[in-house]
Amino acid sequence: SQQGEEDPQALSIQEGENATMNCSYKTSINNLQWYRQNSGRGLVHLILIRSNEREKHSGRLRVTLDTSKKSSSLLITASRAADTASYFCATDARDTGNQFYFGTGTSLTVIP
Amino acid sequence: DSGVTQTPKHLITATGQRVTLRCSPRSGDLSVYWYQQSLDQGLQFLIQYYNGEERAKGNILERFSAQQFPDLHSELNLSSLELGDSALYFCASSVDGLGMNTEAFFGQGTRLTVV
Repeated sequence: SQQGEEDPQALSIQEGENATMNCSYKTSINNLQWYRQNSGRGLVHLILIRSNEREKHSGRLRVTLDTSKKSSSLLITASRAADTASYFCATDARDTGNQFYFGTGTSLTVIP
Repeated sequence: DSGVTQTPKHLITATGQRVTLRCSPRSGDLSVYWYQQSLDQGLQFLIQYYNGEERAKGNILERFSAQQFPDLHSELNLSSLELGDSALYFCASSVDGLGMNTEAFFGQGTRLTVV
C-alpha cells in the first residue's frame, strides 16, 4: 500500500514552541499534501507540494519534501493552542494518480 | 465551512441493515471522494467519482456501493452492515479529477454506529 506513516504518532509541546512532524511513504509520487483534522471533524487542507519542489511555506507552516528519501516534514512555528489537532500527509502514487492515500496521522497537543 | 455538505451527521443502525450516506460537493467541484475513518484502520480511501463516472477505486468492500448523480451529489450505500463498519465516513470534493493535483475539501462526516 502507498499509505504513508507519520512520525511521531503523538506530540505534546508548549505554546510558542515549534512542532515538527514527519511523513514517510513507499512509492514515487506526483504530489504530497498536508491536512489538519480537529477532533472528529472534517479534514482541512494546509499545503500542497509537488514532487519537483523541495520546500514550501504558508504562514507559520513550512513543508519540505525529499523524494530520494520518500519523506516529507511539516514544521509549525510559534505554535498556538488552536494548532491542537491531528495532522495527516496524503500522497498519490505516480502510476495511479487519481487515488490518494492518507497517513496514520500525528496528534499534536499544544499546551497553553 | 468547506462548502461540502454531508447528511446525516449521525446514524445508528443494527447489523444487517442498509444505509445511504449523502454528499453534496462544493459548487463547481466535479470530483467526489469517499473515505472511511476508523480507529484501527485510519483514513481509508474508498472511491472517487468525476462528473458522474467512477474514476478510482480504493479499499471499498463489495457490500458498499456509490454513485454520483447528474447534479453531482453523491451517495454511498452500505449494506449488510457489520459491527466493524462503525466509523466516520467522509466525503470530499475537488474541482477536477486529478486526485492529488488540487486540494480536496472535506465535509464534516457522517458518524455511523452499527449495533
